[in-house]
Amino acid sequence: AQKVTQAQTEISVVEKEDVTLDCVYETRDTTYYLFWYKQPPSGELVFLIRRNSFDEQNEISGRYSWNFQKSTSSFNFTITASQVVDSAVYFCALVDSNYQLIWGAGTKLIIKP
Amino acid sequence: DGGITQSPKYLFRKEGQNVTLSCEQNLNHDAMYWYRQDPGQGLRLIYYSQIVNDFQKGDIAEGYSVSREKKESFPLTVTSAQKNPTAFYLCASSAGQANTEAFFGQGTRLTVV
Repeated sequence: AQKVTQAQTEISVVEKEDVTLDCVYETRDTTYYLFWYKQPPSGELVFLIRRNSFDEQNEISGRYSWNFQKSTSSFNFTITASQVVDSAVYFCALVDSNYQLIWGAGTKLIIKP
Repeated sequence: DGGITQSPKYLFRKEGQNVTLSCEQNLNHDAMYWYRQDPGQGLRLIYYSQIVNDFQKGDIAEGYSVSREKKESFPLTVTSAQKNPTAFYLCASSAGQANTEAFFGQGTRLTVV
């Protein structure tokens, strides 16, 4: 069965702290794609990153970084030096063999000033 | 600018009424999706379409209907058969390949009064 688990329902940190959002996935496919999306209070989901199963190289984009580990089926997302504007709900998703997105339940991130 | 437009942003419905939510995209995407999001919850797939004149039920299609007469448009009708329609509805589109991200509209918040 295809499944994405985001065990952290809500995380609250003080501005400038680093924070890691966990994502664990299950799939029987050997080729698959993982995504992270951000949903700010306005409601629209914004694409952050895509990673395919053959590329385990970690990626850094400014204050954002992603750690993909096939051995533990995890695709964790770290925000360094968090800012209030990072407050949002973050979703991890897996594309299955039918090209459908399997969504995690989301993690609500609250950054306090 | 290219993107996805959902309208209206807020919609109120009386019990027993059908309502139609609009979703238009000018990204030339083949695939379009409708999701439902309840407070504090993840996204649940209602319907999706991978090509014009064809669509498939998602996980929670009961009480909803769609059409895909044009590539650009994928309207969702919430029928009176949907017993608990109050929710946030998100439309998305993608190129339809496993490695392509989905683009989302700003959502429609439907409230039954």
